[in-house]
Amino acid sequence: GDSVTQMEGPVTLSEEAFLTINCTYTATGYPSLFWYVQYPGEGLQLLLKATKADDKGSNKGFEATYRKETTSFHLEKGSVQVSDSAVYFCALSANNAGNMLTFGGGTRLMVKP
Amino acid sequence: DSGVTQTPKHLITATGQRVTLRCSPRSGDLSVYWYQQSLDQGLQFLIQYYNGEERAKGNILERFSAQQFPDLHSELNLSSLELGDSALYFCASSPRQGTGELFFGEGSRLTVL
Repeated sequence: GDSVTQMEGPVTLSEEAFLTINCTYTATGYPSLFWYVQYPGEGLQLLLKATKADDKGSNKGFEATYRKETTSFHLEKGSVQVSDSAVYFCALSANNAGNMLTFGGGTRLMVKP
Repeated sequence: DSGVTQTPKHLITATGQRVTLRCSPRSGDLSVYWYQQSLDQGLQFLIQYYNGEERAKGNILERFSAQQFPDLHSELNLSSLELGDSALYFCASSPRQGTGELFFGEGSRLTVL
């Protein structure tokens, strides 16, 4: 079945550091890929998405590129802020699954001032 | 605020009991999804409804059931509760199939003692 694997956290960075959170997936066909973010005490929010190979999703300074050859969708940000502290989830939606999302385990990011 | 409302926010009950979690989707959204988030299992898809009909089923136990009513709100019923059912239960809604963008509520935290 479909699956998503993310690097385990927590990831602890200083403010203005570069962020990479690795995400790889296993799926048949051409899934859509997503990053969701969960701030403390809140539900998940869509951060960015990419629907086909080589697409780059971006939002709020975060970027991720859909790499079919390496089945990856790594999340990056050039300069993190304390307010980026949250749990980040990589997810995929298979072509025939409507909006049903398969999530990775989540990666907690802690940014220190 | 995602526009998805879940009640109750917190619930403490005993093993063997039955509880009902309620979800009101965003105005106009026809699809409702239920997810379970626990420390050891991560985010697990339980079930999806679309305009009152069950559309997809995930790792939902037989002790759990759900329905979506004509006004589109949904309820998740959990019965014969066990300690391992303690988790955060999220409801999400989406306006249409295939985009992968889900709008999550803040969750209902269930503690089974």
